[in-house]
Amino acid sequence: NAGVTQTPKFQVLKTGQSMTLQCAQDMNHNSMYWYRQDPGMGLRLIYYSASEGTTDKGEVPNGYNVSRLNKREFSLRLESAAPSQTSVYFCASSDRQGVYGGQYFGPGTRLTVT
Amino acid sequence: GEDVEQSLFLSVREGDSSVINCTYTDSSSTYLYWYKQEPGAGLQLLTYIFSNMDMKQDQRLTVLLNKKDKHLSLRIADTQTGDSAIYFCAETSYNYGGSQGNLIFGKGTKLSVKP
Repeated sequence: NAGVTQTPKFQVLKTGQSMTLQCAQDMNHNSMYWYRQDPGMGLRLIYYSASEGTTDKGEVPNGYNVSRLNKREFSLRLESAAPSQTSVYFCASSDRQGVYGGQYFGPGTRLTVT
Repeated sequence: GEDVEQSLFLSVREGDSSVINCTYTDSSSTYLYWYKQEPGAGLQLLTYIFSNMDMKQDQRLTVLLNKKDKHLSLRIADTQTGDSAIYFCAETSYNYGGSQGNLIFGKGTKLSVKP
């Protein structure tokens, strides 16, 4: 049981390049999330998917798109990377069948945009 | 708006108790959470407390909840060097996620344990 996995672990992009961050979970969770973590800013929610087939914007969605490919996989795409998107990106998942909404995180992708 | 506040740093000696404090704003939060992040790693769910509880104990961890003051604390007994990490408090937010809400995180408290 791997939990939440993310690829790649590290990435360097030039301004204007595009890339997709991949996330998968094997816990049969309904909900999945993408966050970014910046020094002094804590974690900020980019997009989430409450269930398969739905996606919604979080606090900081501009410059990103997401796809909930199936119940297991949730990808984050940067169409035209900007230096302001240099950050550590975390994917998380949770089972929100009940009220409990504890989230389980992947190891992160460290992205640098030059 | 919603905000979760934590002090940024805490330094203790090995063997002492650590107390990490957090204040939150949404009185409708059903669950409150503590996460631990070690260097270079993701966030690990440490423990949580249901909003109708005052206290929860789990081995060396004790969570105290004061709903009136919207204050949450995490006490780590017999703190070890392996406890050095950043600790995040989180509450449920209903701004994102409709009726079930999503999580709003504090900025994290960096705990340093000196031998």
